[in-house]
Amino acid sequence: KQEVTQIPAALSVPEGENLVLNCSFTDSAIYNLQWFRQDPGKGLTSLLLIQSSQREQTSGRLNASLDKSSGRSTLYIAASQPGDSATYLCAVRGSNYQLIWGAGTKLIIKP
Amino acid sequence: DTAVSQTPKYLVTQMGNDKSIKCEQNLGHDTMYWYKQDSKKFLKIMFSYNNKELIINETVPNRFSPKSPDKAHLNLHINSLELGDSAVYFCASSQDPPGGGNEKLFFGSGTQLSVL
Repeated sequence: KQEVTQIPAALSVPEGENLVLNCSFTDSAIYNLQWFRQDPGKGLTSLLLIQSSQREQTSGRLNASLDKSSGRSTLYIAASQPGDSATYLCAVRGSNYQLIWGAGTKLIIKP
Repeated sequence: DTAVSQTPKYLVTQMGNDKSIKCEQNLGHDTMYWYKQDSKKFLKIMFSYNNKELIINETVPNRFSPKSPDKAHLNLHINSLELGDSAVYFCASSQDPPGGGNEKLFFGSGTQLSVL
């Protein structure tokens, strides 16, 4: 059974720092992995989607990597800004096409 | 323009009542979903429709009945509400169904359901 874990559950860093969020999964037979952000009172926003055949995806200041063999993905945020404050969720699509979600990392960027 | 909109945003009701949550997407997507986010913030898929056809139906009590009048709408009707139904329910859509190639998800802002 696929399980997705995100550590830490919460992270607070000063503005301008580069940071890494972690996501690990127990079954390496995945179809793809997605990173989302969730703002309070709002829905989720898709950030990056990495197919199982890919190693990384980039969008602006965000870079997501995927290492299937070790069951890990990281989301790198460069030059963090207060507007980056949100909960970041990763979700893994398995071979049965079910989407399994982590519980998220709550990120606070201090001005 | 809101891409995926769901109403109401908040829903407070008594146990035993029947209620509906509506969802509409204006992205021209073929696939729509209902997710439930529990108190621990885990998201669990409930249903998915592709072109008005049910393609995913997780283990959900049959008190929950999705209805898709057209591919732009997916409503969720809940009968005989129970305390354990209290959660945030999210509607989402994607161009393709899972495994179809373009499955990037677009979410609504959520409906917070509180059953008293």
